[in-house]
Amino acid sequence: DQQVKQNSPSLSVQEGRISILNCDYTNSMFDYFLWYKKYPAEGPTFLISISSIKDKNEDGRFTVFLNKSAKHLSLHIVPSQPGDSAVYFCAAGGPDAGNMLTFGGGTRLMVKP
Amino acid sequence: GAGVSQSPRYKVTKRGQDVALRCDPISGHVSLYWYRQALGQGPEFLTYFNYEAQQDKSGLPNDRFSAERPEGSISTLTIQRTEQRDSAMYRCASSLRDRVNQSPLHFGNGTRLTVT
Repeated sequence: DQQVKQNSPSLSVQEGRISILNCDYTNSMFDYFLWYKKYPAEGPTFLISISSIKDKNEDGRFTVFLNKSAKHLSLHIVPSQPGDSAVYFCAAGGPDAGNMLTFGGGTRLMVKP
Repeated sequence: GAGVSQSPRYKVTKRGQDVALRCDPISGHVSLYWYRQALGQGPEFLTYFNYEAQQDKSGLPNDRFSAERPEGSISTLTIQRTEQRDSAMYRCASSLRDRVNQSPLHFGNGTRLTVT
């Protein structure tokens, strides 16, 4: 039972264009969501987060949107750069999960120069 | 270094042997987490500590798995009588505060365990 799903295993985008990575969740108790980026041979690094009291959070080129009714969040990267090429994981947590984060399976983003 | 340090980087062991994986968190971080990541999947929660207290071990697959953080800093994840299905990347993470929604997890580069 996957509570957090990233249905696109990979995404290819041209440099300078927008990258949109999607994530769906099933647990309505989740109230905190994060995106992590992972380069090869490294651990995931925190990118951006959003609480369920908001529907948008922006940090530079990165914006996370949360649609609670659809149980869907997305990460927008504008403009995309070749250095953004990595695997992106969404994660969720909530009061019924204690301090545990549930991660999606990841989406590999390739930004072509 | 300033990041989470894990050792060894790679561990190959024979089925039935015990292994101990070490994690050195970022100095001053209160919470320490262990996750396991299979190839092509996201990290899966195993257990976590606040200081030296193990707060949640619900993700440990069975009683062959155990973890400790005796002095509230370095942690060891031990797998007894390893099986081939234990092969995975084991990741440690630490966070400054004790609630996951207050400060993000900082992950180490992981230990790749292969059980032959």
